[in-house]
Amino acid sequence: DGGITQSPKYLFRKEGQNVTLSCEQNLNHDAMYWYRQDPGQGLRLIYYSQIVNDFQKGDIAEGYSVSREKKESFPLTVTSAQKNPTAFYLCASSADRGGYGYTFGSGTRLTVV
Amino acid sequence: GESVGLHLPTLSVQEGDNSIINCAYSNSASDYFIWYKQESGKGPQFIIDIRSNMDKRQGQRVTVLLNKTVKHLSLQIAATQPGDSAVYFCAEIPLNSGGYQKVTFGTGTKLQVIP
Repeated sequence: DGGITQSPKYLFRKEGQNVTLSCEQNLNHDAMYWYRQDPGQGLRLIYYSQIVNDFQKGDIAEGYSVSREKKESFPLTVTSAQKNPTAFYLCASSADRGGYGYTFGSGTRLTVV
Repeated sequence: GESVGLHLPTLSVQEGDNSIINCAYSNSASDYFIWYKQESGKGPQFIIDIRSNMDKRQGQRVTVLLNKTVKHLSLQIAATQPGDSAVYFCAEIPLNSGGYQKVTFGTGTKLQVIP
């Protein structure tokens, strides 16, 4: 079955550590996205990539980094510069670069310990 | 469990009744609208969409209504079932003029179905 897979489901980070969240899709979608979800707020865009080897900052990119070396993969690194990283992170992909027809992953819950 | 549903408006509905969930959108230039369902600890799932040239669209047990005059979107769920319990949120997308189109997501409404 085609889909988008995020791992791990739960991740714990110590203060000062960098952690990487995985996102893989086998939908042959060109565009991929990372969103952050906090209680009582709408999804906020961290980074997006419309094509391999290219990515753009979203609304809240500070403290995060991404890469897009393969069409299928769009990992997100939460760096120590991100002061409030505890959140639910969602990866999405779409065939259309315009953001139509999103398919979301199941999310990664990151907690700082 | 996931804390996504905290601090959200909550709609409690008796099983078998109809549910109406509302969304006010902000951009009069928005061209395309989507409703998503998000269960606890899971990613959002597409429910139904509607383009701005329509005012109503029906799916299986769901209907979306669009009122562009007051920038309001609603999701109606017929014969609500316990499996419908989730957070529902809308998304708006501006007219596609090429390149990346910013998607704006609503904060969501938590639907609780009472058996």
